[in-house]
Amino acid sequence: DSGVTQTPKHLITATGQRVTLRCSPRSGDLSVYWYQQSLDQGLQFLIHYYNGEERAKGNILERFSAQQFPDLHSELNLSSLELGDSALYFCASSVRGLGNEQFFGPGTRLTVL
Amino acid sequence: DAKTTQPNSMESNEEEPVHLPCNHSTISGTDYIHWYRQLPSQGPEYVIHGLTSNVNNRMASLAIAEDRKSSTLILHRATLRDAAVYYCILISGNTGGFKTIFGAGTRLFVKA
Repeated sequence: DSGVTQTPKHLITATGQRVTLRCSPRSGDLSVYWYQQSLDQGLQFLIHYYNGEERAKGNILERFSAQQFPDLHSELNLSSLELGDSALYFCASSVRGLGNEQFFGPGTRLTVL
Repeated sequence: DAKTTQPNSMESNEEEPVHLPCNHSTISGTDYIHWYRQLPSQGPEYVIHGLTSNVNNRMASLAIAEDRKSSTLILHRATLRDAAVYYCILISGNTGGFKTIFGAGTRLFVKA
Protein backbone atom coordinates (compact mmCIF):
# COMPACT_ATOMS: atom_id res chain seq x y z
CA ASP A 1 0.00 0.00 0.00
CA SER A 2 1.62 3.23 -1.20
CA GLY A 3 -0.60 5.51 0.88
CA VAL A 4 -2.06 7.14 -2.24
CA THR A 5 -5.76 6.54 -2.75
CA GLN A 6 -7.76 6.87 -5.93
CA THR A 7 -11.48 6.73 -6.49
CA PRO A 8 -13.30 5.20 -8.16
CA LYS A 9 -11.47 1.99 -9.00
CA HIS A 10 -13.52 1.42 -12.12
CA LEU A 11 -15.61 3.76 -14.21
CA ILE A 12 -17.72 2.89 -17.23
CA THR A 13 -19.30 5.67 -19.22
CA ALA A 14 -20.40 6.63 -22.71
CA THR A 15 -18.79 8.77 -25.38
CA GLY A 16 -19.42 12.47 -24.96
CA GLN A 17 -19.77 12.25 -21.19
CA ARG A 18 -17.71 13.91 -18.48
CA VAL A 19 -16.10 12.19 -15.48
CA THR A 20 -14.04 13.20 -12.47
CA LEU A 21 -11.27 11.08 -11.02
CA ARG A 22 -10.13 11.75 -7.49
CA CYS A 23 -6.75 11.31 -5.83
CA SER A 24 -5.65 11.69 -2.21
CA PRO A 25 -1.87 11.93 -1.85
CA ARG A 26 0.17 10.45 0.98
CA SER A 27 0.06 12.44 4.17
CA GLY A 28 2.60 15.26 3.93
CA ASP A 29 3.18 15.02 0.18
CA LEU A 30 2.75 18.34 -1.60
CA SER A 31 3.12 17.15 -5.19
CA VAL A 32 0.50 15.27 -7.16
CA TYR A 33 1.01 13.85 -10.66
CA TRP A 34 -1.45 12.34 -13.10
CA TYR A 35 -0.58 9.67 -15.68
CA GLN A 36 -2.50 7.84 -18.34
CA GLN A 37 -1.65 4.27 -19.29
CA SER A 38 -3.17 2.75 -22.38
CA LEU A 39 -2.19 -0.32 -24.36
CA ASP A 40 -1.04 1.57 -27.43
CA GLN A 41 0.52 4.63 -25.79
CA GLY A 42 2.15 3.20 -22.68
CA LEU A 43 2.53 5.37 -19.59
CA GLN A 44 2.06 9.07 -20.36
CA PHE A 45 2.65 11.95 -17.99
CA LEU A 46 -0.31 14.32 -17.95
CA ILE A 47 0.20 17.02 -15.35
CA HIS A 48 1.96 17.90 -12.10
CA TYR A 49 0.65 20.05 -9.25
CA TYR A 50 2.64 21.29 -6.30
CA ASN A 51 0.89 22.72 -3.27
CA GLY A 52 -2.11 23.80 -5.31
CA GLU A 53 -0.23 25.22 -8.28
CA GLU A 54 0.20 23.67 -11.70
CA ARG A 55 3.92 23.03 -12.25
CA ALA A 56 4.21 20.98 -15.41
CA LYS A 57 2.11 19.77 -18.28
CA GLY A 58 2.74 16.74 -20.38
CA ASN A 59 0.57 15.14 -23.04
CA ILE A 60 -2.70 16.35 -21.57
CA LEU A 61 -5.55 16.99 -23.98
CA GLU A 62 -7.50 20.25 -23.86
CA ARG A 63 -10.59 18.22 -22.97
CA PHE A 64 -8.85 17.21 -19.75
CA SER A 65 -8.25 19.44 -16.77
CA ALA A 66 -7.02 19.01 -13.25
CA GLN A 67 -6.76 20.88 -10.01
CA GLN A 68 -5.27 20.45 -6.57
CA PHE A 69 -7.31 21.67 -3.64
CA PRO A 70 -6.16 23.33 -0.39
CA ASP A 71 -6.32 19.97 1.41
CA LEU A 72 -3.93 18.71 -1.34
CA HIS A 73 -6.27 16.18 -2.87
CA SER A 74 -6.53 16.39 -6.63
CA GLU A 75 -9.15 15.81 -9.27
CA LEU A 76 -8.73 15.01 -12.94
CA ASN A 77 -11.69 16.02 -15.08
CA LEU A 78 -12.17 14.36 -18.44
CA SER A 79 -14.84 15.75 -20.75
CA SER A 80 -16.30 15.01 -24.18
CA LEU A 81 -15.02 11.49 -23.72
CA GLU A 82 -13.95 9.44 -26.71
CA LEU A 83 -13.36 5.72 -27.08
CA GLY A 84 -9.62 6.37 -27.13
CA ASP A 85 -9.74 7.83 -23.64
CA SER A 86 -10.28 4.36 -22.24
CA ALA A 87 -7.22 3.71 -20.11
CA LEU A 88 -5.84 3.34 -16.63
CA TYR A 89 -5.33 6.69 -14.92
CA PHE A 90 -2.74 6.78 -12.18
CA CYS A 91 -2.13 9.41 -9.60
CA ALA A 92 1.20 9.69 -7.83
CA SER A 93 2.48 11.90 -5.05
CA SER A 94 5.85 12.97 -3.73
CA VAL A 95 7.13 15.16 -0.95
CA ARG A 96 8.31 17.93 -3.23
CA GLY A 97 9.17 18.09 -6.90
CA LEU A 98 9.96 15.77 -9.72
CA GLY A 99 13.38 14.77 -8.47
CA ASN A 100 11.78 12.92 -5.58
CA GLU A 101 10.48 9.39 -5.35
CA GLN A 102 6.90 9.19 -6.54
CA PHE A 103 4.35 6.94 -4.86
CA PHE A 104 1.67 5.67 -7.18
CA GLY A 105 -1.93 4.92 -6.39
CA PRO A 106 -3.74 1.79 -7.58
CA GLY A 107 -5.28 3.59 -10.54
CA THR A 108 -8.73 4.19 -11.95
CA ARG A 109 -9.73 2.09 -14.92
CA LEU A 110 -11.88 4.15 -17.28
CA THR A 111 -13.89 2.43 -19.97
CA VAL A 112 -15.65 4.58 -22.56
CA LEU A 113 -18.32 2.74 -24.54
CA ASP B 1 12.49 15.93 -25.56
CA ALA B 2 14.97 13.43 -24.22
CA LYS B 3 13.89 9.83 -24.81
CA THR B 4 14.93 6.50 -23.38
CA THR B 5 15.40 3.22 -25.20
CA GLN B 6 15.10 -0.14 -23.48
CA PRO B 7 14.96 -3.73 -24.71
CA ASN B 8 11.39 -5.00 -24.96
CA SER B 9 12.03 -7.99 -22.75
CA MET B 10 14.69 -9.86 -20.84
CA GLU B 11 14.86 -13.19 -19.12
CA SER B 12 16.71 -14.21 -16.00
CA ASN B 13 17.09 -17.21 -13.79
CA GLU B 14 16.08 -16.96 -10.17
CA GLU B 15 18.86 -15.90 -7.78
CA GLU B 16 21.08 -14.68 -10.61
CA PRO B 17 22.00 -11.02 -11.18
CA VAL B 18 20.10 -9.06 -13.80
CA HIS B 19 21.41 -6.08 -15.73
CA LEU B 20 18.70 -3.97 -17.34
CA PRO B 21 20.10 -1.43 -19.82
CA CYS B 22 18.71 1.96 -20.81
CA ASN B 23 19.97 4.35 -23.47
CA HIS B 24 19.29 8.06 -23.13
CA SER B 25 21.67 9.65 -25.58
CA THR B 26 19.86 13.03 -25.63
CA ILE B 27 19.85 13.46 -21.85
CA SER B 28 20.36 17.00 -20.63
CA GLY B 29 22.37 18.14 -17.65
CA THR B 30 19.32 18.63 -15.42
CA ASP B 31 17.69 15.27 -16.15
CA TYR B 32 17.50 12.78 -13.32
CA ILE B 33 17.47 9.07 -14.24
CA HIS B 34 14.73 7.22 -12.41
CA TRP B 35 13.77 3.57 -12.52
CA TYR B 36 10.31 2.33 -11.68
CA ARG B 37 8.77 -1.08 -12.03
CA GLN B 38 5.21 -2.17 -12.51
CA LEU B 39 3.97 -5.51 -11.28
CA PRO B 40 0.86 -6.98 -12.88
CA SER B 41 -2.33 -5.11 -11.99
CA GLN B 42 -0.50 -2.54 -9.86
CA GLY B 43 0.68 1.02 -10.15
CA PRO B 44 4.36 1.69 -10.83
CA GLU B 45 6.73 1.38 -7.89
CA TYR B 46 9.89 3.43 -7.36
CA VAL B 47 13.13 1.46 -7.57
CA ILE B 48 16.04 3.90 -7.64
CA HIS B 49 17.24 7.18 -9.12
CA GLY B 50 20.45 9.08 -9.74
CA LEU B 51 21.98 12.06 -11.46
CA THR B 52 25.65 11.39 -12.15
CA SER B 53 27.08 8.93 -9.64
CA ASN B 54 26.27 5.27 -9.20
CA VAL B 55 23.63 4.62 -6.55
CA ASN B 56 22.78 1.68 -4.31
CA ASN B 57 19.72 0.97 -2.22
CA ARG B 58 18.12 -2.09 -0.70
CA MET B 59 16.32 -2.96 -3.91
CA ALA B 60 18.94 -2.42 -6.59
CA SER B 61 21.98 -0.59 -7.89
CA LEU B 62 22.10 2.01 -10.62
CA ALA B 63 25.20 2.32 -12.75
CA ILE B 64 25.39 5.54 -14.78
CA ALA B 65 27.83 5.88 -17.67
CA GLU B 66 30.39 8.64 -17.39
CA ASP B 67 28.83 10.54 -20.30
CA ARG B 68 25.34 9.85 -18.82
CA LYS B 69 24.07 8.62 -22.16
CA SER B 70 23.22 5.22 -20.75
CA SER B 71 22.51 3.55 -17.44
CA THR B 72 22.03 0.06 -16.10
CA LEU B 73 19.72 -1.13 -13.36
CA ILE B 74 21.23 -4.05 -11.50
CA LEU B 75 19.15 -6.49 -9.50
CA HIS B 76 21.70 -8.45 -7.55
CA ARG B 77 19.67 -11.63 -7.09
CA ALA B 78 16.48 -11.91 -9.08
CA THR B 79 13.47 -13.47 -7.40
CA LEU B 80 10.14 -14.49 -8.88
CA ARG B 81 8.65 -11.36 -7.31
CA ASP B 82 10.94 -9.22 -9.47
CA ALA B 83 9.06 -10.24 -12.61
CA ALA B 84 7.65 -6.93 -13.79
CA VAL B 85 7.93 -4.21 -16.40
CA TYR B 86 10.87 -1.94 -15.62
CA TYR B 87 10.75 1.66 -16.78
CA CYS B 88 13.74 3.90 -17.23
CA ILE B 89 12.55 7.48 -16.87
CA LEU B 90 14.15 10.87 -17.35
CA ILE B 91 12.78 13.54 -15.06
CA SER B 92 13.81 17.05 -15.92
CA GLY B 93 13.67 19.93 -13.54
CA ASN B 94 15.05 22.66 -15.73
CA THR B 95 13.54 26.09 -16.04
CA GLY B 96 11.71 25.07 -19.19
CA GLY B 97 9.34 23.09 -17.05
CA PHE B 98 9.26 19.71 -15.42
CA LYS B 99 8.80 16.74 -17.68
CA THR B 100 8.53 13.04 -17.03
CA ILE B 101 9.27 10.95 -20.10
CA PHE B 102 8.71 7.22 -19.91
CA GLY B 103 10.46 4.66 -22.05
CA ALA B 104 8.52 1.66 -23.33
CA GLY B 105 9.84 -0.44 -20.51
CA THR B 106 11.52 -3.84 -20.31
CA ARG B 107 9.42 -6.82 -19.33
CA LEU B 108 11.55 -9.01 -17.08
CA PHE B 109 10.78 -12.70 -16.95
CA VAL B 110 12.29 -14.66 -14.05
CA LYS B 111 12.58 -18.42 -14.34
CA ALA B 112 12.57 -20.66 -11.30
